[in-house]
Amino acid sequence: GAGVSQSPSNKVTEKGKDVELRCDPISGHTALYWYRQSLGQGLEFLIYFQGNSAPDKSGLPSDRFSAERTGGSVSTLTIQRTQQEDSAVYLCASSLGTGPNTEAFFGQGTRLTVV
Amino acid sequence: AQSVTQLGSHVSVSEGALVLLRCNYSSSVPPYLFWYVQYPNQGLQLLLKYTSAATLVKGINGFEAEFKKSETSFHLTKPSAHMSDAAEYFCAVGGRPGGTSYGKLTFGQGTILTVHP
Repeated sequence: GAGVSQSPSNKVTEKGKDVELRCDPISGHTALYWYRQSLGQGLEFLIYFQGNSAPDKSGLPSDRFSAERTGGSVSTLTIQRTQQEDSAVYLCASSLGTGPNTEAFFGQGTRLTVV
Repeated sequence: AQSVTQLGSHVSVSEGALVLLRCNYSSSVPPYLFWYVQYPNQGLQLLLKYTSAATLVKGINGFEAEFKKSETSFHLTKPSAHMSDAAEYFCAVGGRPGGTSYGKLTFGQGTILTVHP
């Protein structure tokens, strides 16, 4: 596609349920990032993929959070046993790679609300 | 580890006034630096980036930023604010090859710019 696509755009879930958030990066982009944007918290780095591997998972808040990327393309962020503090906008971005061309293109985000 | 500090979570200016949004970074080696803008209900988009060519970088919509190594700063400016500039602005740092943060973008907390008539 022309841009980074995220689905769903909005998700309301009950506390304790699992959720999956999907990201389709720009075709040919090898790097893929997940960020979380909470009100007043800025952008919190979660995880970064180069191809299918994740060199940096340091931002995942707990073991309830996991992410995978297959075929060097689509990525899924899974949150198990959701908690109310997980409510946020989850942003995905992709880039051609690292180095001077590290411009990241962002999707519109998935707004997750845990009730 | 690299980090970014944006001074001032909210900045308010009059239309036509100078816009100055402050960003300071911490990095063991000179990094790549970026400014992103997020308009209400929209995704983030790149305003400009510094990648070690000219220290004064010009971006879209009349914005520019100057990399000052001695001050570890990358402040964003625009000579004359327009109502349409109202948005949230994020400074970000990317690690260079060989550094521990290579490939990772670290964002500041964001600055909300309000432009009033």
